[in-house]
Amino acid sequence: QQQVKQSPQSLIVQKGGISIINCAYENTAFDYFPWYQQFPGKGPALLIAIRPDVSEKKEGRFTISFNKSAKQFSLHIMDSQPGDSATYFCAARVVEYGNKLVFGAGTILRVKS
Amino acid sequence: EADIYQTPRYLVIGTGKKITLECSQTMGHDKMYWYQQDPGMELHLIHYSYGVNSTEKGDLSSESTVSRIRTEHFPLTLESARPSHTSQYLCASSDSSLNTEAFFGQGTRLTVV
Repeated sequence: QQQVKQSPQSLIVQKGGISIINCAYENTAFDYFPWYQQFPGKGPALLIAIRPDVSEKKEGRFTISFNKSAKQFSLHIMDSQPGDSATYFCAARVVEYGNKLVFGAGTILRVKS
Repeated sequence: EADIYQTPRYLVIGTGKKITLECSQTMGHDKMYWYQQDPGMELHLIHYSYGVNSTEKGDLSSESTVSRIRTEHFPLTLESARPSHTSQYLCASSDSSLNTEAFFGQGTRLTVV
């Protein structure tokens, strides 16, 4: 119930291509779905987030698509760049448990130039 | 850049030693969290705090303890370090009144030899 399942585990994309990372959840109490980007040796940093009453949110080259009925959400990185190479984590927040975040397992993205 | 600081960044210590990982935030956030992350793996919540004098165990059992005597400070202590404690420890904070996302520190990479 508390899990967030993320796929793929790793992803290699050519520069200029589209990177797509998918996540699925079971707990309908989740009310906030952020994506975090983590570079080696750094802590995760918020990239973009969405609430379940919105089906899509776009910020620059990053878009979250949210399908409430399927309990799935995904991150799309358009025009992927080598600087986007990082580990991406989807997460879900549970209000009833002190706004704790439950994280997916992470996707290691490598963008080849 | 989020104002949350962790020290030390790296720590190599012998088995049986007592260690304290420091975490401080200057944002006045009420909620603070400790996550454990093995290399390339997901983040697991080990402790969280709603505010001063509040501490709760997270989803992943941990032999560490925490304290929250001041709003800005949330140290994590291991009374007797073991090699199984080798991991990266990430501290985070959030503001429940503003419903902000969690901001992460850069982490402490702990190695117990």
